[in-house]
Amino acid sequence: NAGVTQTPKFQVLKTGQSMTLQCAQDMNHEYMSWYRQDPGMGLRLIHYSVGAGITDQGEVPNGYNVSRSTTEDFPLRLLSAAPSQTSVYFCASKRARNTEAFFGQGTRLTVV
Amino acid sequence: EDQVTQSPEALRLQEGESSSLNCSYTVSGLRGLFWYRQDPGKGPEFLFTLYSAGEEKEKERLKATLTKKESFLHITAPKPEDSATYLCAVTYGGSQGNLIFGKGTKLSVKP
Repeated sequence: NAGVTQTPKFQVLKTGQSMTLQCAQDMNHEYMSWYRQDPGMGLRLIHYSVGAGITDQGEVPNGYNVSRSTTEDFPLRLLSAAPSQTSVYFCASKRARNTEAFFGQGTRLTVV
Repeated sequence: EDQVTQSPEALRLQEGESSSLNCSYTVSGLRGLFWYRQDPGKGPEFLFTLYSAGEEKEKERLKATLTKKESFLHITAPKPEDSATYLCAVTYGGSQGNLIFGKGTKLSVKP
């Protein structure tokens, strides 16, 4: 089972560039979310989706966009990268509202 | 104010030296409490879910317990391969089903 797959694993961007972090899950989960993990800050929620066509903002949404056109995919777009977006990004999916989430292996992003 | 607080931040144990990690929460209307393990360079790996006070879950050398204000992850006779960061997260009435994480406890077990 693939579970949650994130691509790329590593990325270096220049300030002002845009890019899309890809996330796909094969578990037919309705809930998907994006977190960023920074030293000393823990995992913080960026955006989440409770089903295809439905997205909402989390704790730190500024500078990021999401869309959910299919159950399987939940891409995260950085519109104009800034050094403050240097972080490790994790995508997660879960079956239902108060169940456990399953995480991808992460994307390590550096913005210079 | 943090809604989920984990302590200690770091813990160093000798192999075989049992101990406990703490996760305290201040949210109202807890729906679930989750423990994860995270190895360096990897995504969090799910360990346990606890839903109500008094509930306990066990897996190999790990045992998770839940009270009305906190959860403990007990590690019995740890081995070096138990070294990792352990994360605690909650869902509650106002979280829309999203997991709210603590900052983790980094556990090192020396042989």
